[in-house]
Amino acid sequence: GAGVSQSPSNKVTEKGKDVELRCDPISGHTALYWYRQSLGQGLEFLIYFQGNSAPDKSGLPSDRFSAERTGGSVSTLTIQRTQQEDSAVYLCASSLFGRDIQPQHFGDGTRLSIL
Amino acid sequence: GQQVMQIPQYQHVQEGEDFTTYCNSSTTLSNIQWYKQRPGGHPVFLIQLVKSGEVKKQKRLTFQFGEAKKNSSLHITATQTTDVGTYFCAGQQTGANNLFFGTGTRLTVIP
Repeated sequence: GAGVSQSPSNKVTEKGKDVELRCDPISGHTALYWYRQSLGQGLEFLIYFQGNSAPDKSGLPSDRFSAERTGGSVSTLTIQRTQQEDSAVYLCASSLFGRDIQPQHFGDGTRLSIL
Repeated sequence: GQQVMQIPQYQHVQEGEDFTTYCNSSTTLSNIQWYKQRPGGHPVFLIQLVKSGEVKKQKRLTFQFGEAKKNSSLHITATQTTDVGTYFCAGQQTGANNLFFGTGTRLTVIP
């Protein structure tokens, strides 16, 4: 696969449940980003991983949100005790690393709906 | 904190008319990128600008980065129905790890 792969594509869950979203970046891309996009809105930065460096978690909206990136490749975003305001499309992007942020390649996203 | 604003929020044009979207940052940017998101799709990278006053062209699309590196614009000449979508600018503040995406401009092209 040449592109960024995200799963599941859709997730419907009840308020209070935990969810786990997966992102498989483009091979060779050391930078990985998670964003959230609410309906008709722009992209909200959540977290950034670069190689083995400590992640930049400055965009995470609360301590219910966490993310991991194992082996410098696949990443999972976990939302605990989901709330209705967590409903959104969660987008993952990967890029090469450079002095400036390099062009980002996005996956198709996970559409999360909290009932 | 850094903010990136885009205007207009929506634009409806007749096919063949020109279109421009403007992006303004509250802080100086080291790098600005433009993305296009088709309805139901994900953002797709269009261009990156890094130099003050830089102008780049891609066929009917012209991108500019302001002299002060705080604003940018995307101009489309003679729009086509394939141009439909939301155009986002995304700026990087010097030393930051992330891009701040603008609010986006949704373009509708009427055949």
